[in-house]
Amino acid sequence: ETGVTQTPRHLVMGMTNKKSLKCEQHLGHNAMYWYKQSAKKPLELMFVYSLEERVENNSVPSRFSPECPNSSHLFLHLHTLQPEDSALYLCASSPQASGSMAYNEQFFGPGTRLTVL
Amino acid sequence: AQSVAQPEDQVNVAEGNPLTVKCTYSVSGNPYLFWYVQYPNRGLQFLLKYITGDNLVKGSYGFEAEFNKSQTSFHLKKPSALVSDSALYFCAVRDSNYQLIWGAGTKLIIKP
Repeated sequence: ETGVTQTPRHLVMGMTNKKSLKCEQHLGHNAMYWYKQSAKKPLELMFVYSLEERVENNSVPSRFSPECPNSSHLFLHLHTLQPEDSALYLCASSPQASGSMAYNEQFFGPGTRLTVL
Repeated sequence: AQSVAQPEDQVNVAEGNPLTVKCTYSVSGNPYLFWYVQYPNRGLQFLLKYITGDNLVKGSYGFEAEFNKSQTSFHLKKPSALVSDSALYFCAVRDSNYQLIWGAGTKLIIKP
């Protein structure tokens, strides 16, 4: 176990549904991340939060909406998704998002396998 | 442009033989380089990193990686492969905004 948990592990949703992905880290880290993983492609960084403030938003469509209520929890709210959004969504955490500790490794959760019908 | 390339989609190695998974990078400034492994139905796990110092970095599960500045490479190696090493391996480099740029991954298959 890496100290990062994600729920649900699998999610199937229609294009008109609204759902949320949850991530929780038990490592005392200050930075949390959402990544999208598609087969045979590099991981795509979606959002970065540092001390509960969003510091990075890599041109992600507005149908994905992140929320970070505290440094231990991260959500990804989903609505009106498209079939091409089907992928593995990974959450990660690290001690810091930037600065001298930014070369510390990230710790990943097991991911949520999302299928959009 | 900052980037990471893993030129092989898949590497096949017989158990007991040495293995190499290749990674080259392009980044401005000093490179901070990482290797991660992903087992089926799992998230990514950190293997090792190069920040500064000795060009040969040792990591988890007997893996090591060699940083070569002139060739801008950071190849992952292991002297003797195990069947349990079969997994997806990702190379990453930290960019000037402190975020990780990832390679597309290399599937390593170790055959008994």
